[in-house]
Amino acid sequence: DQQVKQNSPSLSVQEGRISILNCDYTNSMFDYFLWYKKYPAEGPTFLISISSIKDKNEDGRFTVFLNKSAKHLSLHIVPSQPGDSAVYFCAASAADTTNAGKSTFGDGTTLTVKP
Amino acid sequence: KAGVTQTPRYLIKTRGQQVTLSCSPISGHRSVSWYQQTPGQGLQFLFEYFSETQRNKGNFPGRFSGRQFSNSRSEMNVSTLELGDSALYLCASSPGTGGHGYTFGSGTRLTVV
Repeated sequence: DQQVKQNSPSLSVQEGRISILNCDYTNSMFDYFLWYKKYPAEGPTFLISISSIKDKNEDGRFTVFLNKSAKHLSLHIVPSQPGDSAVYFCAASAADTTNAGKSTFGDGTTLTVKP
Repeated sequence: KAGVTQTPRYLIKTRGQQVTLSCSPISGHRSVSWYQQTPGQGLQFLFEYFSETQRNKGNFPGRFSGRQFSNSRSEMNVSTLELGDSALYLCASSPGTGGHGYTFGSGTRLTVV
């Protein structure tokens, strides 16, 4: 049972347009959500996060939206740049101590931004 | 500030052997987590150590083990290697107090032949 799902394996957008990456989760215990970006041959890089007490968090060109009732979050990148081309992972964690230090990752979405 | 350092970067082992991977977290970070990444499987959580104690464990067989030292450095060991253990093994560190994104190392690419 995959608790964090990224249903789109890939996404292609034109430079300057908006990129929207989606993520769904099933575990209602998750209360902290993160997005990571990964380039080939490198480890994932933390991008942005959101706590379940919020529904939006913005950092420059990156905005994460959380819809708790739908158990859905999305990452918006505006405007998209060719350097944003990478694999984006959605991750979720729960604050209780039994899940401390553990994040559950989706399978990733490969974003390609075309010049 | 130095990032998370994983050694070695690449490793080739034969079936049945054992391997030890090393991870040095960011200075001051007390939590170290290990993940396995394989094509089509995403990142699978192996285990997490905090202050030398294993705090959480994923669904991997007992052949996968780890430990953390007093300086927060961590090692991961895989015994009796199988072909399916070929993967990128990623280590991530965080302060360990929750509400933080992890900082990942570049990983160790293990190939079992």
